[in-house]
Amino acid sequence: QVQLVESGGGLVKPGGSLRLSCAGSEFIFSDYYMSWIRQAPGKGLEWVSWISGGSSYTNYADSVKGRFTISRDNAKNSLYLQMNSLRAEDTAVYYCARVLSTSGYHNTRGWYFDLWGRGTLVTVSS
Amino acid sequence: DIQMTQSPSSLSAFVGDRVTITCRASQSISSDLNWYQHKPGNAPQLLIYASSNLQSGVPSRFSGSGSGTDFTLTISSLQPEDFATYYCQQSYSTPLFTFGGGTKVEIK
Repeated sequence: QVQLVESGGGLVKPGGSLRLSCAGSEFIFSDYYMSWIRQAPGKGLEWVSWISGGSSYTNYADSVKGRFTISRDNAKNSLYLQMNSLRAEDTAVYYCARVLSTSGYHNTRGWYFDLWGRGTLVTVSS
Repeated sequence: DIQMTQSPSSLSAFVGDRVTITCRASQSISSDLNWYQHKPGNAPQLLIYASSNLQSGVPSRFSGSGSGTDFTLTISSLQPEDFATYYCQQSYSTPLFTFGGGTKVEIK
């Protein structure tokens, strides 16, 4: 069925790196913008990054800008998040999500996340 | 940045109760407001987009309303499977998205 499945989480030391993956199935992956969203323990949801269908456009939350890089491989129906210089505050469950828009991606308003994965846990600790 | 404030942060209710959750934006966001349901260990699920549009497959007991700064998610008759945490999310200031702090709905 239509789904997203994340992988790649684990325990990493502060300052370390980790690469998350998200595999999409049963939809035309390249047609959609995609995003990463995270939830720290006991906290709410925090948007992390998004990428356009053809990888031309990306954006990041200030909290991860310069440390995280989002990318995708449409031939493999996969989304990635390269996380460098990890900090304890990056500890969270990381979700990938499909982005839709009420009026097309060219309009910067009205975007929402219509399909989510179950997440992968990243723990940053010494 | 636009801040989103949900209230209450938690509530207890009986099966069959009518439940209302409020989300307030720090500035006007027109109708660019979405609602999600999240159960522990599960993928979050989109309930409502653009303030009042029911996502396909979502039961009709869920409804959304509001515009400007004040928004409401209503569950007309709470069911056992509705016990979860609910989040609002503004999409007015894309490319930067903001979620509310969440409202946990528990069984009374």
